[in-house]
Amino acid sequence: DQQVKQNSPSLSVQEGRISILNCDYTNSMFDYFLWYKKYPAEGPTFLISISSIKDKNEDGRFTVFLNKSAKHLSLHIVPSQPGDSAVYFCAASVGGSARQLTFGSGTQLTVLP
Amino acid sequence: GAVVSQHPSWVICKSGTSVKIECRSLDFQATTMFWYRQFPKQSLMLMATSNEGSKATYEQGVEKDKFLINHASLTLSTLTVTSAHPEDSSFYICSARDWRGGTDTQYFGPGTRLTVL
Repeated sequence: DQQVKQNSPSLSVQEGRISILNCDYTNSMFDYFLWYKKYPAEGPTFLISISSIKDKNEDGRFTVFLNKSAKHLSLHIVPSQPGDSAVYFCAASVGGSARQLTFGSGTQLTVLP
Repeated sequence: GAVVSQHPSWVICKSGTSVKIECRSLDFQATTMFWYRQFPKQSLMLMATSNEGSKATYEQGVEKDKFLINHASLTLSTLTVTSAHPEDSSFYICSARDWRGGTDTQYFGPGTRLTVL
């Protein structure tokens, strides 16, 4: 039973445009969400997080939106750059902390020059 | 962000041997570290939670006698794959929990590619 789902395995975006990566979850106990970026044969790199008490968190080019009623979150990257090409994972946890992360299956983002 | 290292980055071993992988938090102390496994084109699967000074907590289905975890200091956790077999070949990634500065997150090491012949 996949509690965190990333239904789009891949996404291609033109450089300079917005990239929108989506993530859905089924466990209503999740209250802390994180986005990671991963290159092949490397560990994930933390990008941004959001607590369920917020519906938006912004850090530079990255913004995460949380819709609790829909159990949906999204990561917006504006403007997209070729260096953003990687696999993006969303992760969720219970208890408002970064313990026991449950990861989605990932979305391969390709930013075309 | 915080820096987590892993060693070795890749290892090839014969079936039946044991392999130790080290995970270090370089610029912060981590009371909690985590070990994950990733199969090709799949997500990260949590194997166990490593707590400094106490026994690790294993996820369901993970054999604790096969994957020995030791978290002897606030900056080092080790994973030993005992009597490795080809099905243990995988990409193993550790992370360390950091909640300094008000943001609670896990920072990941670069991973270790294990190939068992």
